[in-house]
Amino acid sequence: DGGITQSPKYLFRKEGQNVTLSCEQNLNHDAMYWYRQDPGQGLRLIYYSQIVNDFQKGDIAEGYSVSREKKESFPLTVTSAQKNPTAFYLCASSTLVGNQPQHFGDGTRLSIL
Amino acid sequence: EDQVTQSPEALRLQEGESSSLNCSYTVSGLRGLFWYRQDPGKGPEFLFTLYSAGEEKEKERLKATLTKKESFLHITAPKPEDSATYLCAVRATYNTDKLIFGTGTRLQVFP
Repeated sequence: DGGITQSPKYLFRKEGQNVTLSCEQNLNHDAMYWYRQDPGQGLRLIYYSQIVNDFQKGDIAEGYSVSREKKESFPLTVTSAQKNPTAFYLCASSTLVGNQPQHFGDGTRLSIL
Repeated sequence: EDQVTQSPEALRLQEGESSSLNCSYTVSGLRGLFWYRQDPGKGPEFLFTLYSAGEEKEKERLKATLTKKESFLHITAPKPEDSATYLCAVRATYNTDKLIFGTGTRLQVFP
């Protein structure tokens, strides 16, 4: 079955620690996205990538980093510089052909210990 | 500033009680409007894309409509399994890389 797999489902971060969230897709989509979802707020774009080895900052990129070494994979690192990392993180992907929707994984919930 | 506003924030319905959710948008040029359903602890699930005013899409008990300023998601004779948060997002013609999301409407349907 084609889809987007995010892991882990739950993640805990200690002070001063970097953590990496995994996102893998087998939909053969060119574009991948990372969003942050907080209660009462819309999804906010962190980073996105339309091609391997290239990515762009979204609206709230500070304290985050990404890489796109393979078309299928787009990991997100939450660095210690992100002072309020507790949130639900969603990965999405889409084709760049036409005006197509983004499709989402089931998210990773990050909490601070 | 581009903006998407959804109302109401929360809606409680009795099973079978039809209603509508609203998505108002302000964007310089609309390339597409997307409706998603999100269950607790899950990612959004794509429902519909609407491209131009006057367009309508249907799926089971859901019907989405679009005008030049807003979209409605009509729910006819809802069932408890329709309980979820419904998200609306728009893609602008001048910035096709991004979707702008509303904050969602949390729907609860009681038997």
